[in-house]
Amino acid sequence: QSVLTQPPSVSGAPGQRVTISCTGSSSNIGAGYDVHWYQQLPGTAPKLLIYGNSNRPSGVPDRFSGSKSGTSASLAITGLQAEDEADYYCQSYDSSLSGEVFGTGTKVTVL
Amino acid sequence: EVQLVQSGAEVKKPGESLKISCKGSGYSFTSYWIGWVRQMPGKGLEWMGIIYPGDSDTRYSPSFQGQVTISADKSISTAYLQWSSLKASDTAMYYCVRPRNSGYADYWGQGTLVTVSS
Repeated sequence: QSVLTQPPSVSGAPGQRVTISCTGSSSNIGAGYDVHWYQQLPGTAPKLLIYGNSNRPSGVPDRFSGSKSGTSASLAITGLQAEDEADYYCQSYDSSLSGEVFGTGTKVTVL
Repeated sequence: EVQLVQSGAEVKKPGESLKISCKGSGYSFTSYWIGWVRQMPGKGLEWMGIIYPGDSDTRYSPSFQGQVTISADKSISTAYLQWSSLKASDTAMYYCVRPRNSGYADYWGQGTLVTVSS
């Protein structure tokens, strides 16, 4: 089981804003380690969406934003579009495991 | 253009050995870590381990230590993930990734599907 917990699913209508939480602990997010986010479209490899808590790689729309506070982080998608329907994963470093860990994953459904 | 190109799908029987590969191009292969990520059918992502091809420094996640071997051949810019005795529970998609210093994987391979069935 992962040490980073995400809600199994979130949904929203086109144009709405949705947020995905990533809850960790004092050995990962709470220890100050960066949080990163990935999008996995059906049948494809994951793609980097947010790195270093809030930075977008080139080509990622500014509808996607990340934040971090305390032992948690969040990914927000504003102006939800049908093409955003995918699985989303957070990632951070865990000092007790001495390695990177992924969150449990969240499926975003566009209603 | 940075690319990670993985070897093709494999179908194996329990107890058999297997080595899958990931060839990096478009960047200095010996200057970046290469990692492996497992995704079992219908499940989430799991970080398996990483290797630095420059000096072969290798680190495994606790769940995968002793279960797989990660290696690299810098002369051909290729990383490997190896099993000595496959189990049905090794059935999964395996992705190679290029982790940056702060941990995020900026490039992913296309994935290699490994199916282990008698």
